[in-house]
Amino acid sequence: DAGVTQSPTHLIKTRGQQVTLRCSPKSGHDTVSWYQQALGQGPQFIFQYYEEEERQRGNFPDRFSGHQFPNYSSELNVNALLLGDSALYLCASSASRDAFGETQYFGPGTRLLVL
Amino acid sequence: GIQVEQSPPDLILQEGANSTLRCNFSDSVNNLQWFHQNPWGQLINLFYIPSGTKQNGRLSATTVATERYSLLYISSSQTTDSGVYFCAVGRAGANSKLTFGKGITLSVRP
Repeated sequence: DAGVTQSPTHLIKTRGQQVTLRCSPKSGHDTVSWYQQALGQGPQFIFQYYEEEERQRGNFPDRFSGHQFPNYSSELNVNALLLGDSALYLCASSASRDAFGETQYFGPGTRLLVL
Repeated sequence: GIQVEQSPPDLILQEGANSTLRCNFSDSVNNLQWFHQNPWGQLINLFYIPSGTKQNGRLSATTVATERYSLLYISSSQTTDSGVYFCAVGRAGANSKLTFGKGITLSVRP
């Protein structure tokens, strides 16, 4: 049973560029959430996708956008990169049918460095 | 939004010692998870425990939802227990967005 996978593992970009990160959820899961973790901090919620729509959103600007595909995989896009976007980006998956008693599982993350 | 406070921020133990990590939260929740983040950044699920007590080997956790706190107990600590421990809470079940604390950095010395 494959867990949550993310790609790429590492990425280096320059200011102003755009980046796309990818996530495949755990088998049987249909809900994907994205988090940003700055160095020395806890993860911060960016947004959540379910049925190919953004269902919840945290306090992040519109430069951060996402997409969910029919196979439940998801992409996170960040436009006009800033130095402050350098962080570990984590994807978590869960199953909508299990409102309680099921946990969110996290992928290994993508480390983004903006120069 | 919900505030999550974890204490102590740093903890240094000798191998074999026991420890208690605390998580306080500011509002009622129905999702609470404890994670261990390894040096490579992977968040490893320890417990899903919005209320009650659970045990898994040397680890156990208790959440008292009415008093808005959770405790993670580590017994007979090992060097492999080192890392950052996060408490995360949510208000809409398993699919809710999680609000994380700042984490507790645990160092276990041989």
